[in-house]
Amino acid sequence: IAGITQAPTSQILAAGRRMTLRCTQDMRHNAMYWYRQDLGLGLRLIHYSNTAGTTGKGEVPDGYSVSRANTDDFPLTLASAVPSQTSVYFCASSPGLAGSDTQYFGPGTRLTVL
Amino acid sequence: GQNIDQPTEMTATEGAIVQINCTYQTSGFNGLFWYQQHAGEAPTFLSYNVLDGLEEKGRFSSFLSRSKGYSYLLLKELQMKDSASYLCAVSSNDYKLSFGAGTTVTVRA
Repeated sequence: IAGITQAPTSQILAAGRRMTLRCTQDMRHNAMYWYRQDLGLGLRLIHYSNTAGTTGKGEVPDGYSVSRANTDDFPLTLASAVPSQTSVYFCASSPGLAGSDTQYFGPGTRLTVL
Repeated sequence: GQNIDQPTEMTATEGAIVQINCTYQTSGFNGLFWYQQHAGEAPTFLSYNVLDGLEEKGRFSSFLSRSKGYSYLLLKELQMKDSASYLCAVSSNDYKLSFGAGTTVTVRA
């Protein structure tokens, strides 16, 4: 693994199903983030974690949950998917806090909820 | 919250110069980032400004005026591979990034 990886690459999901998007980084970065990107709206922060064991809510957290059990992994869970959660999801990490540090993005997961 | 505005689209000719403007209103300020995103790919870091003035990195330069809530990204000697979306992102007092919707630049031969 080099950098930050996400799985799956793409997924089609029935509404009401539970789904976990995986994110792993091997750069030993402290902070990790989940964004969704929708046409015309840009990247919007869903949840973030400044360090292992802590998480926080971003701009659009409703319907999503995260955990940060260790430094490397930051999974995003949709407990009961709805069509409005159709989007491209990007995971990112940074050595320190977002305000003063470059973020490195994963390749993204394209999710379609029907 | 943050309000970040940038043009939706710009078109320029190969070899030319293009300037992408970004204006922002934010509660506190901890820096402004520019990212490049090619279609279907992840954003990648281009530049970071926290103090007023111009930062130059090869063909790309970024300018910041904190008093005016204004930044621009200057792309010189445009190449076809520069066709992409350019994202302006502002860090506020809570150290989270807020992104603009992005400017799609199309470079024509």
